[in-house]
Amino acid sequence: DVKVTQSSRYLVKRTGEKVFLECVQDMDHENMFWYRQDPGLGLRLIYFSYDVKMKEKGDIPEGYSVSREKKERFSLILESASTNQTSMYLCASNSGANVLTFGAGSRLTVL
Amino acid sequence: SQKIEQNSEALNIQEGKTATLTCNYTNYSPAYLQWYRQDPGRGPVFLLLIRENEKEKRKERLKVTFDTTLKQSLFHITASQPADSATYLCALDIDSSASKIIFGSGTRLSIRP
Repeated sequence: DVKVTQSSRYLVKRTGEKVFLECVQDMDHENMFWYRQDPGLGLRLIYFSYDVKMKEKGDIPEGYSVSREKKERFSLILESASTNQTSMYLCASNSGANVLTFGAGSRLTVL
Repeated sequence: SQKIEQNSEALNIQEGKTATLTCNYTNYSPAYLQWYRQDPGRGPVFLLLIRENEKEKRKERLKVTFDTTLKQSLFHITASQPADSATYLCALDIDSSASKIIFGSGTRLSIRP
């Protein structure tokens, strides 16, 4: 069964901490995505990557960075977490113009 | 900027009726549009994809239409069941390479017995 695996389901961090959210897919997909989901705002695209070491900003990249050193792994980094980054983070992948496969999500709380 | 709107935040209907959800978009001509289902605490799951040259797509009790002139997609669930209760999201690609995919805010559908 193909999968997108997010390393942490729940995290609690303090303001100013550096946070890493990891995502791994086993489908050999070229494209990987990070979204955040907030009530009433739906899924908003933070960053996506269409190849190893390549990245593109989404609609809300401020306060985030990403890393894709290997095809199967896409990391989201919060350099200095803030309370307004408390959210559900969803990783997804696809190949070409194709459907997205999502992970289960990582719920981050920043205190 | 590109915008996707789903007609209502929540929709309540009686079991057995047809649920119709609307997705409208502006400022772009997507090559395809997708619908996803999301249950609480879980990631979205793909349901249907319809391409710009297709008017209608069906899968079991689901039907999607795509009107590129109106810039609108309708998502229908016929003979609805309480198990269909979930949030439904539409998504479309907004760049020529079809790698950048954005979502509407979703419609929370509740089917009452």
